[in-house]
Amino acid sequence: DAGVIQSPRHEVTEMGQEVTLRCKPISGHNSLFWYRQTMMRGLELLIYFNNNVPIDDSGMPEDRFSAKMPNASFSTLKIQPSEPRDSAVYFCASRAGTGYEKLFFGSGTQLSVL
Amino acid sequence: GENVEQHPSTLSVQEGDSAVIKCTYSDSASNYFPWYKQELGKRPQLIIDIRSNVGEKKDQRIAVTLNKTAKHFSLHITETQPEDSAVYFCAASINSGNTPLVFGKGTRLSVIA
Repeated sequence: DAGVIQSPRHEVTEMGQEVTLRCKPISGHNSLFWYRQTMMRGLELLIYFNNNVPIDDSGMPEDRFSAKMPNASFSTLKIQPSEPRDSAVYFCASRAGTGYEKLFFGSGTQLSVL
Repeated sequence: GENVEQHPSTLSVQEGDSAVIKCTYSDSASNYFPWYKQELGKRPQLIIDIRSNVGEKKDQRIAVTLNKTAKHFSLHITETQPEDSAVYFCAASINSGNTPLVFGKGTRLSVIA
């Protein structure tokens, strides 16, 4: 298995533009998580899905952020409109089964909003 | 919700010395405590974990200890090597359903040769 696949690896955009981050979880994993990493706040959970259903989006900072998981093999995180303070590394992670299972991270998307 | 505090935020040790990173958690229902290592520019990767029914776990040069009463757990790295230099994250979760991991803010470990 290729692991959790994220795209793009890097994204540079201008303030006000729409940004879409993509994630393909490991096949067979039924939970998917979006985390944001910054120096100040570390790894913050934004939203997570179980069996494609959003369970908790309380970590999504504002209405500008939205996430979808239309099927078991694909998820998107969209920021519209983007702002400079959204600059961070966004990680997608997936896990099989229950909470004791290992969490696998994707390579992350380095987002820079100018 | 769960809150995980991690200390120190940075740690420098001489090669061959030991390193200790400490975390505390707030939710007494948490029962799973993994540690992740993130090398520069890479993704976090699991290095060791411990469940609440165990007080200590060891894997070669790394060990984790858990004190449920005090709600704290620690990572111990012995005989440190330059390749141990990385950011280490502790995390906690409740193993019911598929609750997410809550991470500490990380410790940047530098091993000086």
